[in-house]
Amino acid sequence: GDSVTQMEGPVTLSEEAFLTINCTYTATGYPSLFWYVQYPGEGLQLLLKATKADDKGSNKGFEATYRKETTSFHLEKGSVQVSDSAVYFCALLLAGGGYNKLIFGAGTRLAVHP
Amino acid sequence: NAGVTQTPKFQVLKTGQSMTLQCAQDMNHEYMSWYRQDPGMGLRLIHYSVGAGITDQGEVPNGYNVSRSTTEDFPLRLLSAAPSQTSVYFCASKGLSTGGTYNEQFFGPGTRLTVL
Repeated sequence: GDSVTQMEGPVTLSEEAFLTINCTYTATGYPSLFWYVQYPGEGLQLLLKATKADDKGSNKGFEATYRKETTSFHLEKGSVQVSDSAVYFCALLLAGGGYNKLIFGAGTRLAVHP
Repeated sequence: NAGVTQTPKFQVLKTGQSMTLQCAQDMNHEYMSWYRQDPGMGLRLIHYSVGAGITDQGEVPNGYNVSRSTTEDFPLRLLSAAPSQTSVYFCASKGLSTGGTYNEQFFGPGTRLTVL
């Protein structure tokens, strides 16, 4: 079935380090792909998205490219900050019938230290 | 706009008790859903609704009931709580997508439920 696999965390980095969080997916058809971020004590917020192959989503210095050939959507940031500490979820969207269902990965916790 | 609101923020129940988690949105969104978040498992869809009077099951519906009498509200009921329902519950809403466009899904702040 359709699914999303993320690298296990936690990921611990020093401030200004380079971040990569891997995400791969299995899906029928052509899903849209998303990264959501959950800060401590809050709900999920959409970080970025890509709706078709080779699209690059970007926001707040984060980027991810929709790679159909490798079924991947890895999240990257060139220089992380302490404020980026959160849990990051990769998700895919199955669309149909006028409504949408998001399928989430397990989440990757990122801890950034000064 | 308040967005998506959930009450309560925290709740402790004993096995067998019943309760209702409240969810409301003021964005006139047709689509609303409930997820549970468990460690190492991400978010899993419990129930969803595409409009008032219409509900359907998600991935993990057992033990939960929902109803949608208004566009704004989408309560989640636990009829007889079990320890396996200890989790963090998130409500979400979005406008229905048309013409291939995607409307962002907005999440509430969550309800942390513990069943003893």
